[in-house]
Amino acid sequence: AQSVAQPEDQVNVAEGNPLTVKCTYSVSGNPYLFWYVQYPNRGLQFLLKYITGDNLVKGSYGFEAEFNKSQTSFHLKKPSALVSDSALYFCAVRDGNYGQNFVFGPGTRLSVLP
Amino acid sequence: DAMVIQNPRYQVTQFGKPVTLSCSQTLNHNVMYWYQQKSSQAPKLLFHYYDKDFNNEADTPDNFQSRRPNTSFCFLDIRSPGLGDAAMYLCATSRDLRLAGAYEQYFGPGTRLTVT
Repeated sequence: AQSVAQPEDQVNVAEGNPLTVKCTYSVSGNPYLFWYVQYPNRGLQFLLKYITGDNLVKGSYGFEAEFNKSQTSFHLKKPSALVSDSALYFCAVRDGNYGQNFVFGPGTRLSVLP
Repeated sequence: DAMVIQNPRYQVTQFGKPVTLSCSQTLNHNVMYWYQQKSSQAPKLLFHYYDKDFNNEADTPDNFQSRRPNTSFCFLDIRSPGLGDAAMYLCATSRDLRLAGAYEQYFGPGTRLTVT
């Protein structure tokens, strides 16, 4: 069975500082990994994904994520946080070998303080 | 722009009164999903369609039904809404995930359902 953990409910960071939102996963086959962001009263918005290849994936709005197979992690990062990055972030995984479904983590609320 | 549209954005219904939420897409994606999301929690998958093939999650209550009359449209019917069904309902689409490549989901803006 697939599962995703986001160990931090809340991450606070000062504007201009680097940010990291953590994600670990478990799948039986090859993992396809995704990050989404959700602003209040909105749907989820795709940020980036890992399929294969380079472990460092670059996405929208200056975000990037690093895939680490040995640690089964896919942490979201940004070198310099903006106040407008404050939102709810979801990590999701799909087992590349099975089905049409995605499994979402519980979400991490990011607050960027001015 | 190709997109996923949900109507209405806000829906108020009475306890026990049937309600229908709608979703349409211009992406021509094979797969359409309905999720329930409560209080900034992770979205909970209710069911999905692969073309006309309906796939219900094991723990989705019978109170929730869905219809997909064509590729572009998908409806969520709640037959007898209870107070516990108040939530954000998200529609999403994706390409056929059996095809090569890892395709992301595209989400609509959601419909916030209030049950009085």
